Amino acid sequence: AQTVTQSQPEMSVQEAETVTLSCTYDTSENNYYLFWYKQPPSRQMILVIRQEAYKQQNATENRFSVNFQKAAKSFSLKISDSQLGDTAMYFCAFMKRSGGGADGLTFGKGTHLIIQP
Amino acid sequence: GAVVSQHPSWVICKSGTSVKIECRSLDFQATTMFWYRQFPKQSLMLMATSNEGSKATYEQGVEKDKFLINHASLTLSTLTVTSAHPEDSSFYICSARELAEISYEQYFGPGTRLTVT
Repeated sequence: AQTVTQSQPEMSVQEAETVTLSCTYDTSENNYYLFWYKQPPSRQMILVIRQEAYKQQNATENRFSVNFQKAAKSFSLKISDSQLGDTAMYFCAFMKRSGGGADGLTFGKGTHLIIQP
Repeated sequence: GAVVSQHPSWVICKSGTSVKIECRSLDFQATTMFWYRQFPKQSLMLMATSNEGSKATYEQGVEKDKFLINHASLTLSTLTVTSAHPEDSSFYICSARELAEISYEQYFGPGTRLTVT
């Protein structure tokens, strides 16, 4: 079984600042995916960014980037030029990569990010 | 594209009754659908994985006789909470994986809030 740990229950930054959310995980698997999801007050889960474990290059999506350290089992999310709309719960998630099927996601406990005007 | 709907969005039922929640993939075929449960201010916990035409796979600790899952078609999965009790009150979220998708992304529904009185 795998576990995902997010050690920051809540973070608050000023608009336009850069913020980094931390995530560590534990697994014996070698092939897997890591995700960051955003859950705004509407509670709709929104995919922010995805990282395949076999790729060494860190994923980037516009203002969002990750620092993936496979050996350290660390997967942090950096949000640059933060905006008020970034205020939400952020969940780090792990998914084992299966040969023919699909596995569910294991989520961390989440970080409540608040962007202050 | 890749829209998942859930119905109802909010339901209140009396203790001892059963309630059915539908999860539909609107514009794609989903080989696999997942059901998650989220308690207030907590993370998402995977309850079960359902594959079209076969029995659902339940996570450890989830009562399969209480949470009945049916995945009768490639676009519909249902979760029935039988003999509901107040402790079953929660936010239930489904996700679906597209048949031809190779990125392993899961598309989430908007969730269903269940309140058992």
